[in-house]
Order: sequence, then structure tokens, then C-alpha cells
Amino acid sequence: QQQVKQSPQSLIVQKGGISIINCAYENTAFDYFPWYQQFPGKGPALLIAIRPDVSEKKEGRFTISFNKSAKQFSLHIMDSQPGDSATYFCAATKTGNQFYFGTGTSLTVIP
Amino acid sequence: KAGVTQTPRYLIKTRGQQVTLSCSPISGHRSVSWYQQTPGQGLQFLFEYFSETQRNKGNFPGRFSGRQFSNSRSEMNVSTLELGDSALYLCASSLGASMNTEAFFGQGTRLTVV
Repeated sequence: QQQVKQSPQSLIVQKGGISIINCAYENTAFDYFPWYQQFPGKGPALLIAIRPDVSEKKEGRFTISFNKSAKQFSLHIMDSQPGDSATYFCAATKTGNQFYFGTGTSLTVIP
Repeated sequence: KAGVTQTPRYLIKTRGQQVTLSCSPISGHRSVSWYQQTPGQGLQFLFEYFSETQRNKGNFPGRFSGRQFSNSRSEMNVSTLELGDSALYLCASSLGASMNTEAFFGQGTRLTVV
């Protein structure tokens, strides 16, 4: 059973547009939800994370929206840039336990 | 502050051989987790070590094993390699404290089994 479901699988956005990636989780015990960005040949880099006691967290152009009742969270990339082209993974965990990752979203930002 | 260091970066092995991968976590981090990344399966959790003890384990066969040393460095071993073990192996380090879950990944070891 997949603990975290991520969509879309791929996304193409114009430069300056908004990129939105969605994730849904099953386990209500999860208490930490990070997003990772991965470039080819590199390991995933922690981008932004949220805990379920807040509904939104913003860091620069990146925002996480969290809906506890729907068990969903999403990543919004404002003013998307070609340098944002990468694969994005959402994840979820209960503190002290393993991370469960989504299947990834390949983002392409067209100049 | 140095990041997570994984060695070697690339490995080519033959079926049936064994391999050992190394991970040096961020200074001060006591938890090291290992993941297998493949195009078809994504990121799959292998195991986690904290203070030299395996704290969590994923659903991988016993051919996959690991250990952690007193300086928090960790090694992962795969015995009797199969073609399907070809993947990017990633380790992630974190403080391991009860309320801090931030995990930082290394660049990975690309293992190719031929």
C-alpha cells in the first residue's frame, strides 16, 4: 500500500507561472511533511517542510499548503524559473520512523 | 559545515559479488538512513541506524545489511548481487532527536550490476 501518493507525474510550466504539485497521505499519525528537490546526478535536497499544526508555510517562492482533514498537502512554486526544473518529491513520516516518499514529479519550466 | 558524504560515487559489480557502500553523516548527526532509488520504484527505505543500533528496517531481503560505527559513519553491504540491485543508493543523516526530523541526503552511490 502506497503511503504517499503524488501527482502529477510530470509538469510543464511557463517561466513566471505557478507550479503546483499535490500529495495525499494515508496515515494520520504522520507529523512531518517535507518536500525535496532533486537534480539529475544529485541527491534530494530538502526544500521546505511543514508540521500538521499549521496550514501553510512559505519560504521565498516556495509555499506548502496543508489540509489535515483531507490528508493532503501541496507545493506551490511561484514565479517559476528554468532553474527550478528538477524532480520534486513529497514525503511524510512519524517522528522517529522512516520517511515515505511520493513517486516524484518532473518539473520543466520553459523560458 | 560539511554535508553528507557518500563513497564511492560510482560502482560497477558483477552478479554474485558483494559490495560495501559508505556514508559519513553531517557532524553531530547521529541518525543515518539508507534508501534505494530506482526509476520504477522511486525512493525505497532500507534501514535506519541511530547510535550504532538499527532502529527501523524496510522490506528488503537479508542480502541488504548495514551497520553504524561509534563516530556515526555508516556502511551498507549488499551480498550476492543481482541485476535488479542496480540503483542509486542514498543515505540521509539527521540529528535523530525526538522532535527534529530534518533529513539531509548525500549525492548517492550509483551501483551498476552487470
